[in-house]
Amino acid sequence: DADVTQTPRNRITKTGKRIMLECSQTKGHDRMYWYRQDPGLGLRLIYYSFDVKDINKGEISDGYSVSRQAQAKFSLSLESAIPNQTALYFCATSGRGLGYTFGSGTRLTVV
Amino acid sequence: DQQVKQNSPSLSVQEGRISILNCDYTNSMFDYFLWYKKYPAEGPTFLISISSIKDKNEDGRFTVFLNKSAKHLSLHIVPSQPGDSAVYFCATFRLHEDYGGSQGNLIFGKGTKLSVKP
Repeated sequence: DADVTQTPRNRITKTGKRIMLECSQTKGHDRMYWYRQDPGLGLRLIYYSFDVKDINKGEISDGYSVSRQAQAKFSLSLESAIPNQTALYFCATSGRGLGYTFGSGTRLTVV
Repeated sequence: DQQVKQNSPSLSVQEGRISILNCDYTNSMFDYFLWYKKYPAEGPTFLISISSIKDKNEDGRFTVFLNKSAKHLSLHIVPSQPGDSAVYFCATFRLHEDYGGSQGNLIFGKGTKLSVKP
């Protein structure tokens, strides 16, 4: 089993729909993150959580919300999806060290 | 404003030669610098890091150099192998003062796609 599991792997949704991307980790780490990757723009931080009671906005949080259901689970929601949210989404977790462990990504297409 | 810049979107190198990937940053307060490698259909994986108090860190074929006065970071891969073909992201890490300096998050550059040709 992967250390960080993201579901779904691929999703096509319509403009205006609510969608949730889920992430779970088996590393036992407190810290979890959601990043978005767009061609030519690299990885940009959407939200991050340093423990179950902590939620922080990243550089591009508008249009997104998150929920930290447990130490191992961190979900990302698009309340009303729009086409420019079409991207590759990555969840990651880290411990006290610097290394982040990333999931394999969710490819989201909003039509 | 982009805090971490990778100005070369792509780089092509012959197998066995040196690959040099470059990265510039704007904030002298960053504490650590990292390189991540990403293959298609996979998440990024950690490659190597360097503390802001050092100027070189080596791990096998991979060496990272830090020039603080120039705010410049580079990754050297010697010798390059076809399996090194991937997108390489430079990232910086700054400890959050709000958390007593014990927490932080990564800021990534746009990435450089390295192609190593046999």
